[in-house]
Amino acid sequence: QKEVEQNSGPLSVPEGAIASLNCTYSDRVSQSFFWYRQYSGKSPELIMSIYSNGDKEDGRFTAQLNKASQYVSLLIRDSQPSDSATYLCAVEGGSYIPTFGRGTSLIVHP
Amino acid sequence: NAGVTQTPKFQVLKTGQSMTLQCAQDMNHNSMYWYRQDPGMGLRLIYYSASEGTTDKGEVPNGYNVSRLNKREFSLRLESAAPSQTSVYFCASSREASGYYEQYFGPGTRLTVT
Repeated sequence: QKEVEQNSGPLSVPEGAIASLNCTYSDRVSQSFFWYRQYSGKSPELIMSIYSNGDKEDGRFTAQLNKASQYVSLLIRDSQPSDSATYLCAVEGGSYIPTFGRGTSLIVHP
Repeated sequence: NAGVTQTPKFQVLKTGQSMTLQCAQDMNHNSMYWYRQDPGMGLRLIYYSASEGTTDKGEVPNGYNVSRLNKREFSLRLESAAPSQTSVYFCASSREASGYYEQYFGPGTRLTVT
């Protein structure tokens, strides 16, 4: 059984701070790692993909992957109230069927 | 591009009624998926279709059927709705990028079964 674990939160950070979201996975052969943002009442939106160890930066977002430790994280710099949402981690192992975590709720307060 | 579209956006059914949820994508993606999302349960895969003409069961297929009508369209049918099928349903399609698959979701259908 492939598992993807996330702390459900909520994670509360002040505006302008760095938000750090973490995810661990059980399947060692996983190849692709994704972060989705889901606003309340809306559908998941892909914001980051990462496939190799290390960091990948896109604007205020940085995804970090450590396959040896089986974790992937998402850093949001200069957090804004508009970043308040649930963040879903997804892991895929070459079968084109990702396994989703249950998500971490992020609250950015002014 | 409209991306992934779903109809209807909202639906209320009585127990035992049937309905079909429609999904279409205009991104020329091969793979399409149906998920349900319930509070505290995350996204659960109902059915998927790797390519036109093929469908396979996911984690929670009981009570549902699907049809991959063509490359663009993938429908989900509830033959006899039950209150346990009250949920938000998302359709997704995926793009292969160098052997990796990125999913794109439709806006969802909120279904209530009374």
